[in-house]
Amino acid sequence: EPEVTQTPSHQVTQMGQEVILRCVPISNHLYFYWYRQILGQKVEFLVSFYNNEISEKSEIFDDQFSVERPDGSNFTLKIRSTKLEDSAMYFCASRGQGGQPQHFGDGTRLSIL
Amino acid sequence: SQQGEEDPQALSIQEGENATMNCSYKTSINNLQWYRQNSGRGLVHLILIRSNEREKHSGRLRVTLDTSKKSSSLLITASRAADTASYFCATDVSPGANNLFFGTGTRLTVIP
Repeated sequence: EPEVTQTPSHQVTQMGQEVILRCVPISNHLYFYWYRQILGQKVEFLVSFYNNEISEKSEIFDDQFSVERPDGSNFTLKIRSTKLEDSAMYFCASRGQGGQPQHFGDGTRLSIL
Repeated sequence: SQQGEEDPQALSIQEGENATMNCSYKTSINNLQWYRQNSGRGLVHLILIRSNEREKHSGRLRVTLDTSKKSSSLLITASRAADTASYFCATDVSPGANNLFFGTGTRLTVIP
């Protein structure tokens, strides 16, 4: 069964550094998402992406965040200048047309030191 | 906030028993989805129920939806130790991108 894959599984970065989290969505999916989960808390929506542009974004997704689909397969989340509070598990998800469910990757654990 | 709340926060049962988890939400929805998360892993989609559906089954899973009460329940029958995980409901409220709003989760422990 096709899967959403995320790399790396764990990223450790110094505060203030830029970080790029990578995702390969399921190949025929058209809608892409990033979510985050701070340890012990609920999963929070960050941003959705469709037709090469952001569809919706949450309050969390401020100017420090950006997303890109640089080619036909990858979907990336960039945090320009990381803060301690960015430490979380970041999940990528994708879905197909219509009211189909979102499929999630296993996440990238981001640790900011 | 559209985010749901699950009840109970934690549930511990013996293998073979049924487990029922509840979810309440605040706004109108397109659909409601249940996901499972094993510790430190990603979210696995279990079942999707649309706003015009009242009940749905998938294997040992049964989901109900009451839009008048803005609530849903997930029943796992004949539980197994491998069902031990956190279970989340997620609501899809927007007609466009369909981003999900997750609840707080129920931590289910099935004792062998």
